Amino acid sequence: GAGVSQTPSNKVTEKGKYVELRCDPISGHTALYWYRQSLGQGPEFLIYFQGTGAADDSGLPNDRFFAVRPEGSVSTLKIQRTERGDSAVYLCASSLSRGSYNEQFFGPGTRLTVL
Amino acid sequence: TQLLEQSPQFLSIQEGENLTVYCNSSSVFSSLQWYRQEPGEGPVLLVTVVTGGEVKKLKRLTFQFGDARKDSSLHITAAQTGDTGLYLCAGAASSASKIIFGSGTRLSIRP
Repeated sequence: GAGVSQTPSNKVTEKGKYVELRCDPISGHTALYWYRQSLGQGPEFLIYFQGTGAADDSGLPNDRFFAVRPEGSVSTLKIQRTERGDSAVYLCASSLSRGSYNEQFFGPGTRLTVL
Repeated sequence: TQLLEQSPQFLSIQEGENLTVYCNSSSVFSSLQWYRQEPGEGPVLLVTVVTGGEVKKLKRLTFQFGDARKDSSLHITAAQTGDTGLYLCAGAASSASKIIFGSGTRLSIRP
């Protein structure tokens, strides 16, 4: 079966622009996670969805970052007024249900570069 | 704030040698996971440990969770070039908590 897919794989944008990053989770997975991974670092938690609702958005760095999952499947991470410090790989993961004991399956990530 | 520190950050060894990677914290975790990540891909789960003192083996890889559930180690026996990658530990304070990742150990196995 298909794994987690993310589009685009690469995104180059200019400082101040708006970007959207998309995640298609594994079919049937109710939990969806967004992480940000900077060079030489481990993934940093951003937000977690259980179904359509954001169950934990404590990792979003500021109000320029927002994520939605309107139908409980595909999710979009939205970044307004991008800054150079937003450059990173944005990873999406999904799991069958919530809980840290459940295996998270990661997508390949979207590499965002803000010039 | 829970932090996971991994050591060493980088490790380059000859094929056939043994190695150990460490993951330490001052916080207690209800579970700890190890992932392997290759360039251009997302992390892939290797193992989850949940009981203090637990040891799990996956072929040439041995994972141990500390008795106090604050630390873990990954031991690889007779390393192969295919073991090259970024190894990440990740922990959760409870089954409902978000997962916190360590900064990773970049492993390079020379032929």
